[in-house]
Amino acid sequence: QVQLQESGPGLVKPSQTLSLTCTVSGGSISSGDHYWTWIRQHPGRGLEFIGYIYHTGSTYYNPSLKSRVSISVDTSKNQFSLRLSSLTAADTAVYYCARESGDSGWYGFRDYWGQGTLVTVSS
Amino acid sequence: EIVMTQSPATLSVSPGDRATLSCRASQSVSSTLAWYQQKPGQAPRLLIYGASTRATGIPARFSGSGSGTEFTLTISSLQSEDFAVYYCQQYNIWPPGTFGQGTKVEIK
Repeated sequence: QVQLQESGPGLVKPSQTLSLTCTVSGGSISSGDHYWTWIRQHPGRGLEFIGYIYHTGSTYYNPSLKSRVSISVDTSKNQFSLRLSSLTAADTAVYYCARESGDSGWYGFRDYWGQGTLVTVSS
Repeated sequence: EIVMTQSPATLSVSPGDRATLSCRASQSVSSTLAWYQQKPGQAPRLLIYGASTRATGIPARFSGSGSGTEFTLTISSLQSEDFAVYYCQQYNIWPPGTFGQGTKVEIK
């Protein structure tokens, strides 16, 4: 059974950089069968795609966040990480990591998720 | 960007009744449509992909239908554990694979 687990600080000051790590167990990031993604959910609101990474290091970022986002992968640890800079209160959200899967040649549904971590941006 | 619109925003249903949730895409997404269930304090859980294929371990009372721009999630007989928020998500244009705003299924 694939499991994902986010880790990182729950409280970050404005203007600082958020760093979160997602540890994958029960499956290998290196398999190349999936993409690995970050999604966030503002309190009481919907789901926002942040970006994804492939095991080769290839990435895609949401254009609205692109200037502030970086996603990296460490296949030796079976982890991938998110960095989001220049934080404001608007970045307060639950951050999820998830696995992107495909079917019949179409990728993009999220079949396994971490439990999520609440990040609060406040001084 | 493809906009996904879900209706209704809130659906009040009695346990044992059928629930029908709708999702509309602003342009055709073929059958590249997924449904998720989210309970308070939990991550979303994949229910359906390919518009109608149940994900692993999902009970048969959940069914999905539709193609193009109109999709439906049906819960045939609501159980207590089914009261939650449901999201649709298209992945015809991926990334990003946009989500709808959600439908809350509450106890009537």
